[in-house]
Amino acid sequence: DTGVSQDPRHKITKRGQNVTFRCDPISEHNRLYWYRQTLGQGPEFLTYFQNEAQLEKSRLLSDRFSAERPKGSFSTLEIQRTEQGDSAMYLCASSLTTQYFGPGTRLLVL
Amino acid sequence: QKEVEQNSGPLSVPEGAIASLNCTYSDRGSQSFFWYRQYSGKSPELIMFIYSNGDKEDGRFTAQLNKASQYVSLLIRDSQPSDSATYLCAVIRESGGYQKVTFGTGTKLQVIP
Repeated sequence: DTGVSQDPRHKITKRGQNVTFRCDPISEHNRLYWYRQTLGQGPEFLTYFQNEAQLEKSRLLSDRFSAERPKGSFSTLEIQRTEQGDSAMYLCASSLTTQYFGPGTRLLVL
Repeated sequence: QKEVEQNSGPLSVPEGAIASLNCTYSDRGSQSFFWYRQYSGKSPELIMFIYSNGDKEDGRFTAQLNKASQYVSLLIRDSQPSDSATYLCAVIRESGGYQKVTFGTGTKLQVIP
């Protein structure tokens, strides 16, 4: 257990529904990252927060994806109007200098 | 050219042997290099990191970095079946307080009992 938690661990949804994932980082870590990982691939960067500021967002992230980190603590990742191609493991990592990953949220869009 | 390249494997080694995992990267400004282990269905877990050219040892693991060749490797001595996993190489470039982290696709290691 790295101290990074994610909720839920698994989510099954129907195409077109909205989903929201939560990440609670290690408390003293000011950096928080979201990644997406599909089978046989490495983690793919989605977005990055330093404290409450979203400093970087991947060009791969469509307008259906939004992330927040209010008060620089936990973060949420929302996917609107889910598509089957959104099925993946969504990973959160927090860091001061070294990234520690949460257990991930596995999303299946039917 | 991918920013971080790894042979996808699988790399099969007998129990007790040395497993050698390799990673090359394209950004010469990269400053730190991490190895993560990922078991199937689980999230990546940090094994070790290296910043400077040369070798860094931690137990059965040795990371090797050659910035001139843009090459980083991980050696696992006395490989055990429990080492069977996918090993991810991550390369970090930091500027202006922002860390750009790029992962390779991982090398699958199989340790045969």
